[in-house]
Amino acid sequence: AQSVTQLDSHVSVSEGTPVLLRCNYSSSYSPSLFWYVQHPNKGLQLLLKYTSAATLVKGINGFEAEFKKSETSFHLTKPSAHMSDAAEYFCVVTKGGYKLSFGAGTTVTVRA
Amino acid sequence: SAVISQKPSRDICQRGTSLTIQCQVDSQVTMMFWYRQQPGQSLTLIATANQGSEATYESGFVIDKFPISRPNLTFSTLTVSNMSPEDSSIYLCSVVSDQNYGYTFGSGTRLTVV
Repeated sequence: AQSVTQLDSHVSVSEGTPVLLRCNYSSSYSPSLFWYVQHPNKGLQLLLKYTSAATLVKGINGFEAEFKKSETSFHLTKPSAHMSDAAEYFCVVTKGGYKLSFGAGTTVTVRA
Repeated sequence: SAVISQKPSRDICQRGTSLTIQCQVDSQVTMMFWYRQQPGQSLTLIATANQGSEATYESGFVIDKFPISRPNLTFSTLTVSNMSPEDSSIYLCSVVSDQNYGYTFGSGTRLTVV
């Protein structure tokens, strides 16, 4: 079954420093992968998606992720964290057709 | 991309009662999904609701507890039946808004069962 594992339940960074959120997936075929962000009491917002095109995917707000098939990873990075990046981040994989499987989530806090 | 109007945005319900959540989409979409997000947890897929066919439920979810209607290509409802406090969650609908894996999510219904 297709699934994702987010390796960190919580990440704390200082403003202006890099952010790395780790995600590993398991899939019996070439999946589509996504990163979504959820700010407190807000809806889900798509940061970026990989759908078998370029392996380095650039998203909104300076985020990017690299699909590495050999490592079954899809880590999310941002070179410089901003206070507004404090939120919950979900790594998501397709699990057959258009159904999605969400990771457990990573809470990002940003220190001033 | 599609725009979803989800109602109600929140509700507080008595145990043993039922609540019906509505999702209205501003365009015709074939595939619609319903998710649950329990407090402090991730999203879990409840069912897939395609127009013209019975909803398909994921493991752990049953039609008697979560009946779904999909009368046309722009509308769906999810009912949470015979509620207990364990049903307190955020419920979201989602549609595939383009064939290149573009999804739109509703704003969610925050349900509290007392």
